[in-house]
Amino acid sequence: GIQVEQSPPDLILQEGANSTLRCNFSDSVNNLQWFHQNPWGQLINLFYIPSGTKQNGRLSATTVATERYSLLYISSSQTTDSGVYFCAVVPRMNYGGSQGNLIFGKGTKLSVKP
Amino acid sequence: TAGITQAPTSQILAAGRSMTLRCTQDMRHNAMYWYRQDLGLGLRLIHYSNTAGTTGKGEVPDGYSVSRANTDDFPLTLASAVPSQTSVYFCASSWGGDTDTQYFGPGTRLTVL
Repeated sequence: GIQVEQSPPDLILQEGANSTLRCNFSDSVNNLQWFHQNPWGQLINLFYIPSGTKQNGRLSATTVATERYSLLYISSSQTTDSGVYFCAVVPRMNYGGSQGNLIFGKGTKLSVKP
Repeated sequence: TAGITQAPTSQILAAGRSMTLRCTQDMRHNAMYWYRQDLGLGLRLIHYSNTAGTTGKGEVPDGYSVSRANTDDFPLTLASAVPSQTSVYFCASSWGGDTDTQYFGPGTRLTVL
């Protein structure tokens, strides 16, 4: 099946710094989402971005579908950005099963220090 | 709107007991999903339902069952819990199809002793 790899696994930043998180996937996808899991465990949708670029405040994301990767940019990081960031995809070739089965990467754990 | 609600928030369960995790969405989404999250393994799909009245197996379905009697509710049942089912369980929903955004509930933390 499709492989979803995220890097780095862990990231420690000083407040105010910028960062780039990467998601590589091994096959074509119809759906790619970025999530933030906050320290209380809640999964928050950041972007639905199977291709192209989107921005939302200090966060932006770019997916280059032809090269099978996506990047999440966090600018001017804040302590509230801490948590785990997940990339999840729905493979284009999804034989049987759920039409929308998200395959998750293992996440990038971000710690922003004051 | 509430979006997706899950109950209970957390539960400690003796091995061999049964339990039903509840999930309700108010967005009239067609599709609903159950995932489990385990440390080091990320989230994995247990069961799904593309529309009311239909269900299907995900990546890790053994030991779990689901039903979808109506659009809003998608309960997950553990018939005889085992310690390996200790996990955080997330319910999600979407309009359906593989190009739609999935929205997640707050999760249920289950410990099986």
